[in-house]
Amino acid sequence: AQSVTQLGSHVSVSEGALVLLRCNYSSSVPPYLFWYVQYPNQGLQLLLKYTTGATLVKGINGFEAEFKKSETSFHLTKPSAHMSDAAEYFCAVTLVTGGGNKLTFGTGTQLKVEL
Amino acid sequence: EAEVAQSPRYKITEKSQAVAFWCDPISGHATLYWYRQILGQGPELLVQFQDESVVDDSQLPKDRFSAERLKGVDSTLKIQPAELGDSAMYLCASSLAGLQRYEQFFGPGTRLTVL
Repeated sequence: AQSVTQLGSHVSVSEGALVLLRCNYSSSVPPYLFWYVQYPNQGLQLLLKYTTGATLVKGINGFEAEFKKSETSFHLTKPSAHMSDAAEYFCAVTLVTGGGNKLTFGTGTQLKVEL
Repeated sequence: EAEVAQSPRYKITEKSQAVAFWCDPISGHATLYWYRQILGQGPELLVQFQDESVVDDSQLPKDRFSAERLKGVDSTLKIQPAELGDSAMYLCASSLAGLQRYEQFFGPGTRLTVL
């Protein structure tokens, strides 16, 4: 079984500051990892994903994340926050086994960007 | 750009009534998922279809929930009777089959309020 822990349900940063959203996972086998963003009353949009290969992955809107197996982490970063980044962010994990591949999500981190 | 369509976007109903949600996946996506997202939490998988067959419905409350995908294209999720605790966002997602099935594309969701 797999699980995801997102530290900090709310994060507040100033516009232009570094964004760091934390995600730790638990998995018995190498996982595939994802970050999704959700704006109010909308669905989830994929920011980036890690499957295999390079451990530093780049996504849309200037976000990136690094897979660290030794720390079982997949933290999301962005060098400079923009007001439009204010949203809820979800880390998710899946195991690609058999026919099922359900996503297991963390509880989310609400990002607030202040002027 | 192809998108997952869902309707209605919002639904208000009284407890003990029946409700139904509809999802049309991206054309060519063989795998379809229904997730439930309670306010303040991450989405949780209710049911997964591969074409018209159910792959995983272990978290579907089968005494009141049902889902079908008769022709392997669009899908309907039904709740009968609705309970207060069913108030949530219901998200539909789809993905390709095979090795690309791990990347799921989400629709805008249906927000259900049970009074």
